[in-house]
Amino acid sequence: SQTIHQWPATLVQPVGSPLSLECTVEGTSNPNLYWYRQAAGRGLQLLFYSVGIGQISSEVPQNLSASRPQDRQFILSSKKLLLSDSGFYLCALTWDRETQYFGPGTRLLVL
Amino acid sequence: RKEVEQDPGPFNVPEGATVAFNCTYSNSASQSFFWYRQDCRKEPKLLMSVYSSGNEDGRFTAQLNRASQYISLLIRDSKLSDSATYLCAVNRGAAGNKLTFGGGTRVLVKP
Repeated sequence: SQTIHQWPATLVQPVGSPLSLECTVEGTSNPNLYWYRQAAGRGLQLLFYSVGIGQISSEVPQNLSASRPQDRQFILSSKKLLLSDSGFYLCALTWDRETQYFGPGTRLLVL
Repeated sequence: RKEVEQDPGPFNVPEGATVAFNCTYSNSASQSFFWYRQDCRKEPKLLMSVYSSGNEDGRFTAQLNRASQYISLLIRDSKLSDSATYLCAVNRGAAGNKLTFGGGTRVLVKP
């Protein structure tokens, strides 16, 4: 079965600092990969999705970017964090019909 | 109108009772639907998929009403461990197998 790894689990960063969150996948090949953000007490917001290496689609204009340098690696980045970037960042994949499975997430606090 | 809407709750449920709640969606082209369970500070975990009129898994039953554009989740014989937030997700029917999530319904099962 497929496994999603995300790290770090928790991150505290100052405003204006850069960000790099990594998601790696095991047990499947050529998955669709997704980055979501969940603000405190809010629903899941799709940020980016990727159907293959180097293919990134952005859902919401913001100061975040994503890259997929390898089939099983998905990276979320920012050059300068804002307070509003705080939240729970979740990586997800689909490998079959449509069902999405989530990784353990990274909790980001921007101060 | 939001694409996917849920009553945020909380639904306070006596242990052993039955609870049901709905999720309404606005995109009539959606063909697949999902219920996820999310525990506090954890990632969402798939509870069940709903592709046709409904689905049943043990004490959990999901039903789809296409005419009124809602799906429901019913939990029978509620256990304390059923306390969680239940997220509804709707496939957008577009490329990328993207899902739109509702804000979640919080369920609290009490002894």
